[in-house]
Amino acid sequence: QVQLVESEGGVVQPGRSLRLSCAASGFTFSNYGIHWVRQAPGKGLEWVAVISSDGSHKHYADSVRGRFTISRDNSKNTLSLQMNSLRAEDTAVYYCARDPRGDGYNYADYWGQGALVAVSS
Amino acid sequence: EVVMTQSPATLSVSPGERATLSCRTSQSVSSNLAWYQQKPGRAPRLLIYGASTRATGIPARFSGDGSGTDFTLTINSLQSEDFAVYYCQQYNSWPPYTFGQGTKVEIK
Repeated sequence: QVQLVESEGGVVQPGRSLRLSCAASGFTFSNYGIHWVRQAPGKGLEWVAVISSDGSHKHYADSVRGRFTISRDNSKNTLSLQMNSLRAEDTAVYYCARDPRGDGYNYADYWGQGALVAVSS
Repeated sequence: EVVMTQSPATLSVSPGERATLSCRTSQSVSSNLAWYQQKPGRAPRLLIYGASTRATGIPARFSGDGSGTDFTLTINSLQSEDFAVYYCQQYNSWPPYTFGQGTKVEIK
């Protein structure tokens, strides 16, 4: 069955960096685009970034562009989100989610369980 | 950016009744709209894509309709497990992919 498992998040000080990863199994990872979506405590869903199946296309939300970098290693079936210059407003549960197509230009059909990132001094 | 507006914010429904949720977009998204269900402490689950196609394993009591800027999610004969928050999302004009603010369906 399709599984997406995020690494543990953590508590990080403002201005510092954190790297999240997402391990995929149960499907041919290299055929699918993958999204990151986040949810601040008690709030709604916010799309963060997407990467195409071969990693050639990446798109970001304005709120994270220039600070976050999405990448993937198809040989290891893993996705990463490098988060730099973290701010208090980045505090959220971060979900990786599969796009049903390789281009990543769609909805998300399977989601991981989420990883909590708390930015606090 | 396409702005998504869901209404109502909260819907109180008795088990067995029908719930109708609305999602309106600030510009046409054709049929490129999805609906998700989220329960407390859980990840979202895809219910509907293409405005009206049920995802794998989704019961027939869930149905989606609409195109352009106005969409509805209908849940017939609400079951106890259906009480949750529901989000719509457009994937026609991106980035960014945008979500509505959610509708909470609660027990009346």
